[in-house]
Amino acid sequence: AQKVTQAQTEISVVEKEDVTLDCVYETRDTTYYLFWYKQPPSGELVFLIRRNSFDEQNEISGRYSWNFQKSTSSFNFTITASQVVDSAVYFCALRRGLAGGTSYGKLTFGQGTILTVHP
Amino acid sequence: DTEVTQTPKHLVMGMTNKKSLKCEQHMGHRAMYWYKQKAKKPPELMFVYSYEKLSINESVPSRFSPECPNSSLLNLHLHALQPEDSALYLCASSQVLGRTGGNYEQYFGPGTRLTVT
Repeated sequence: AQKVTQAQTEISVVEKEDVTLDCVYETRDTTYYLFWYKQPPSGELVFLIRRNSFDEQNEISGRYSWNFQKSTSSFNFTITASQVVDSAVYFCALRRGLAGGTSYGKLTFGQGTILTVHP
Repeated sequence: DTEVTQTPKHLVMGMTNKKSLKCEQHMGHRAMYWYKQKAKKPPELMFVYSYEKLSINESVPSRFSPECPNSSLLNLHLHALQPEDSALYLCASSQVLGRTGGNYEQYFGPGTRLTVT
Protein backbone atom coordinates (compact mmCIF):
# COMPACT_ATOMS: atom_id res chain seq x y z
CA ALA A 1 0.00 0.00 0.00
CA GLN A 2 1.12 3.52 -0.67
CA LYS A 3 0.94 6.38 1.76
CA VAL A 4 1.92 10.03 1.86
CA THR A 5 2.25 11.89 5.14
CA GLN A 6 2.38 15.64 5.48
CA ALA A 7 2.77 16.03 9.20
CA GLN A 8 2.38 19.81 9.22
CA THR A 9 -1.31 20.60 9.07
CA GLU A 10 -0.86 24.37 9.16
CA ILE A 11 2.13 26.68 8.98
CA SER A 12 2.05 30.40 9.56
CA VAL A 13 5.00 32.65 8.66
CA VAL A 14 5.70 36.31 8.10
CA GLU A 15 6.60 37.51 4.64
CA LYS A 16 10.26 37.02 3.64
CA GLU A 17 10.72 34.09 6.00
CA ASP A 18 11.88 30.79 4.56
CA VAL A 19 9.53 27.86 5.08
CA THR A 20 9.90 24.12 4.52
CA LEU A 21 6.98 21.79 3.92
CA ASP A 22 7.65 18.19 4.81
CA CYS A 23 6.52 15.14 2.87
CA VAL A 24 7.24 11.53 3.79
CA TYR A 25 6.06 8.68 1.62
CA GLU A 26 5.73 4.91 1.80
CA THR A 27 5.83 2.57 -1.16
CA ARG A 28 7.18 -0.85 -2.02
CA ASP A 29 7.67 0.06 -5.65
CA THR A 30 11.12 0.64 -7.06
CA THR A 31 9.76 2.98 -9.71
CA TYR A 32 7.47 5.76 -8.59
CA TYR A 33 6.83 9.45 -9.07
CA LEU A 34 6.44 12.24 -6.56
CA PHE A 35 4.60 15.51 -7.08
CA TRP A 36 3.85 18.77 -5.38
CA TYR A 37 0.70 20.72 -6.11
CA LYS A 38 -0.40 24.13 -4.87
CA GLN A 39 -4.07 24.89 -4.27
CA PRO A 40 -4.80 28.60 -3.74
CA PRO A 41 -8.17 29.73 -2.38
CA SER A 42 -9.54 29.80 -5.95
CA GLY A 43 -9.52 25.99 -5.87
CA GLU A 44 -7.43 24.98 -8.85
CA LEU A 45 -4.58 22.56 -8.19
CA VAL A 46 -1.44 23.96 -9.75
CA PHE A 47 1.28 21.51 -10.69
CA LEU A 48 4.67 22.50 -9.25
CA ILE A 49 7.07 19.63 -9.74
CA ARG A 50 7.44 15.95 -10.62
CA ARG A 51 10.35 13.85 -9.42
CA ASN A 52 11.17 10.29 -10.55
CA SER A 53 12.34 7.72 -8.05
CA PHE A 54 15.55 7.11 -9.97
CA ASP A 55 16.54 10.78 -9.99
CA GLU A 56 17.57 12.11 -6.59
CA GLN A 57 18.85 15.39 -7.94
CA ASN A 58 17.51 18.32 -6.01
CA GLU A 59 15.84 21.11 -7.91
CA ILE A 60 15.57 24.83 -7.62
CA SER A 61 13.08 26.99 -9.45
CA GLY A 62 13.20 30.61 -8.47
CA ARG A 63 12.22 30.81 -4.80
CA TYR A 64 11.15 27.17 -4.75
CA SER A 65 13.44 24.23 -4.06
CA TRP A 66 12.87 20.55 -3.50
CA ASN A 67 14.97 18.05 -1.57
CA PHE A 68 14.41 14.40 -2.46
CA GLN A 69 16.04 11.80 -0.23
CA LYS A 70 15.25 8.16 -0.89
CA SER A 71 17.13 7.06 2.22
CA THR A 72 14.55 8.80 4.39
CA SER A 73 11.62 8.55 1.92
CA SER A 74 11.20 12.27 1.99
CA PHE A 75 10.46 14.90 -0.63
CA ASN A 76 10.52 18.26 1.11
CA PHE A 77 9.62 21.60 -0.40
CA THR A 78 11.22 24.91 0.61
CA ILE A 79 9.99 28.37 -0.23
CA THR A 80 12.65 31.03 0.19
CA ALA A 81 11.67 34.58 1.05
CA SER A 82 7.98 33.72 1.25
CA GLN A 83 5.36 36.09 -0.14
CA VAL A 84 1.69 36.60 0.61
CA VAL A 85 0.86 35.04 -2.78
CA ASP A 86 2.39 31.79 -1.54
CA SER A 87 -0.54 31.38 0.85
CA ALA A 88 -2.27 28.19 -0.24
CA VAL A 89 -2.73 24.53 0.56
CA TYR A 90 0.17 22.44 -0.65
CA PHE A 91 -0.25 18.77 -1.48
CA CYS A 92 2.44 16.18 -1.89
CA ALA A 93 1.42 13.18 -3.99
CA LEU A 94 2.79 9.79 -5.02
CA ARG A 95 2.10 7.71 -8.11
CA ARG A 96 3.20 4.19 -8.81
CA GLY A 97 5.38 3.47 -11.79
CA LEU A 98 4.40 1.05 -14.53
CA ALA A 99 6.02 -1.81 -12.65
CA GLY A 100 3.39 -1.32 -9.98
CA GLY A 101 0.68 -2.25 -12.44
CA THR A 102 -1.30 0.95 -12.27
CA SER A 103 -1.41 2.37 -15.72
CA TYR A 104 -3.60 5.37 -15.40
CA GLY A 105 -1.84 7.73 -13.10
CA LYS A 106 -3.75 7.31 -9.86
CA LEU A 107 -2.33 9.75 -7.34
CA THR A 108 -2.07 9.14 -3.62
CA PHE A 109 -2.26 12.53 -1.93
CA GLY A 110 -1.07 13.63 1.47
CA GLN A 111 -3.53 15.49 3.69
CA GLY A 112 -2.09 18.84 2.65
CA THR A 113 -0.36 21.67 4.50
CA ILE A 114 -2.11 25.01 4.82
CA LEU A 115 0.49 27.74 4.45
CA THR A 116 -0.41 31.26 5.52
CA VAL A 117 2.05 34.05 4.80
CA HIS A 118 1.33 37.25 6.69
CA PRO A 119 2.44 40.65 5.37
CA ASP B 1 -3.68 30.30 -17.79
CA THR B 2 -5.12 26.86 -17.24
CA GLU B 3 -5.65 24.73 -20.27
CA VAL B 4 -8.27 22.68 -18.50
CA THR B 5 -11.56 24.52 -18.24
CA GLN B 6 -14.60 23.60 -16.22
CA THR B 7 -18.16 24.90 -16.26
CA PRO B 8 -20.02 26.02 -14.33
CA LYS B 9 -17.84 27.51 -11.60
CA HIS B 10 -20.63 27.21 -9.05
CA LEU B 11 -23.74 25.07 -9.04
CA VAL B 12 -26.59 24.85 -6.57
CA MET B 13 -29.04 22.03 -7.13
CA GLY B 14 -31.86 20.35 -5.33
CA MET B 15 -31.89 16.66 -4.58
CA THR B 16 -34.36 15.96 -7.38
CA ASN B 17 -32.55 17.94 -10.06
CA LYS B 18 -30.50 16.67 -12.95
CA LYS B 19 -27.43 18.69 -13.89
CA SER B 20 -24.14 18.20 -15.69
CA LEU B 21 -20.59 19.37 -15.07
CA LYS B 22 -18.40 19.96 -18.08
CA CYS B 23 -14.67 19.81 -18.57
CA GLU B 24 -12.57 20.58 -21.62
CA GLN B 25 -8.84 20.31 -22.18
CA HIS B 26 -6.74 21.64 -25.03
CA MET B 27 -3.46 19.87 -24.41
CA GLY B 28 -3.96 16.82 -26.59
CA HIS B 29 -4.13 14.56 -23.56
CA ARG B 30 -5.85 11.20 -23.87
CA ALA B 31 -6.46 10.55 -20.15
CA MET B 32 -9.04 12.55 -18.21
CA TYR B 33 -10.07 12.35 -14.57
CA TRP B 34 -12.84 13.39 -12.20
CA TYR B 35 -12.01 14.09 -8.57
CA LYS B 36 -14.17 15.07 -5.62
CA GLN B 37 -12.72 17.27 -2.91
CA LYS B 38 -14.34 18.01 0.43
CA ALA B 39 -13.25 21.00 2.47
CA LYS B 40 -9.83 20.64 4.07
CA LYS B 41 -9.27 17.23 2.47
CA PRO B 42 -7.19 16.06 -0.48
CA PRO B 43 -8.89 15.26 -3.78
CA GLU B 44 -10.41 11.80 -4.11
CA LEU B 45 -10.34 10.07 -7.46
CA MET B 46 -13.75 9.19 -8.90
CA PHE B 47 -13.28 8.19 -12.54
CA VAL B 48 -10.55 7.85 -15.13
CA TYR B 49 -11.02 7.82 -18.88
CA SER B 50 -8.30 6.65 -21.21
CA TYR B 51 -8.75 7.02 -24.96
CA GLU B 52 -12.38 7.98 -24.31
CA LYS B 53 -13.10 4.73 -22.49
CA LEU B 54 -13.85 4.41 -18.79
CA SER B 55 -10.90 2.64 -17.23
CA ILE B 56 -11.34 3.30 -13.51
CA ASN B 57 -14.49 3.75 -11.45
CA GLU B 58 -13.59 4.13 -7.79
CA SER B 59 -16.85 2.60 -6.58
CA VAL B 60 -18.72 5.84 -7.15
CA PRO B 61 -22.51 5.79 -6.58
CA SER B 62 -24.60 5.55 -9.74
CA ARG B 63 -26.08 9.00 -9.15
CA PHE B 64 -22.80 10.19 -10.70
CA SER B 65 -22.56 9.26 -14.36
CA PRO B 66 -19.45 10.19 -16.38
CA GLU B 67 -19.29 10.61 -20.11
CA CYS B 68 -16.41 11.27 -22.50
CA PRO B 69 -17.87 12.36 -25.87
CA ASN B 70 -14.46 12.95 -27.44
CA SER B 71 -10.81 13.26 -26.51
CA SER B 72 -11.18 16.87 -25.36
CA LEU B 73 -14.42 16.73 -23.40
CA LEU B 74 -15.45 15.10 -20.16
CA ASN B 75 -18.87 15.40 -18.56
CA LEU B 76 -20.22 14.37 -15.19
CA HIS B 77 -23.98 13.90 -15.09
CA LEU B 78 -25.61 14.36 -11.70
CA HIS B 79 -28.97 12.99 -10.63
CA ALA B 80 -30.70 12.61 -7.27
CA LEU B 81 -27.72 13.83 -5.32
CA GLN B 82 -27.52 14.00 -1.54
CA PRO B 83 -26.41 16.98 0.56
CA GLU B 84 -23.21 15.08 1.42
CA ASP B 85 -22.29 15.23 -2.27
CA SER B 86 -21.65 18.95 -1.88
CA ALA B 87 -17.98 19.45 -2.70
CA LEU B 88 -15.50 20.86 -5.17
CA TYR B 89 -15.40 18.70 -8.31
CA LEU B 90 -12.11 18.81 -10.14
CA CYS B 91 -11.32 17.65 -13.62
CA ALA B 92 -7.78 16.78 -14.69
CA SER B 93 -6.00 15.52 -17.77
CA SER B 94 -2.67 13.91 -18.56
CA GLN B 95 -0.85 11.93 -21.16
CA VAL B 96 -1.72 8.26 -21.07
CA LEU B 97 0.94 6.17 -19.39
CA GLY B 98 2.58 3.97 -21.95
CA ARG B 99 5.37 1.52 -22.30
CA THR B 100 7.95 4.24 -21.95
CA GLY B 101 6.96 4.94 -18.39
CA GLY B 102 4.94 7.37 -16.36
CA ASN B 103 6.86 10.60 -16.62
CA TYR B 104 3.65 12.58 -16.77
CA GLU B 105 1.76 14.86 -14.46
CA GLN B 106 -1.91 15.65 -14.23
CA TYR B 107 -3.15 19.14 -14.98
CA PHE B 108 -6.21 20.28 -13.12
CA GLY B 109 -9.04 22.63 -13.97
CA PRO B 110 -10.38 25.29 -11.60
CA GLY B 111 -13.19 23.08 -10.37
CA THR B 112 -16.95 23.34 -9.95
CA ARG B 113 -18.17 24.12 -6.47
CA LEU B 114 -21.35 22.10 -6.03
CA THR B 115 -23.94 22.66 -3.34
CA VAL B 116 -26.81 20.20 -2.97
CA THR B 117 -29.78 21.55 -1.03
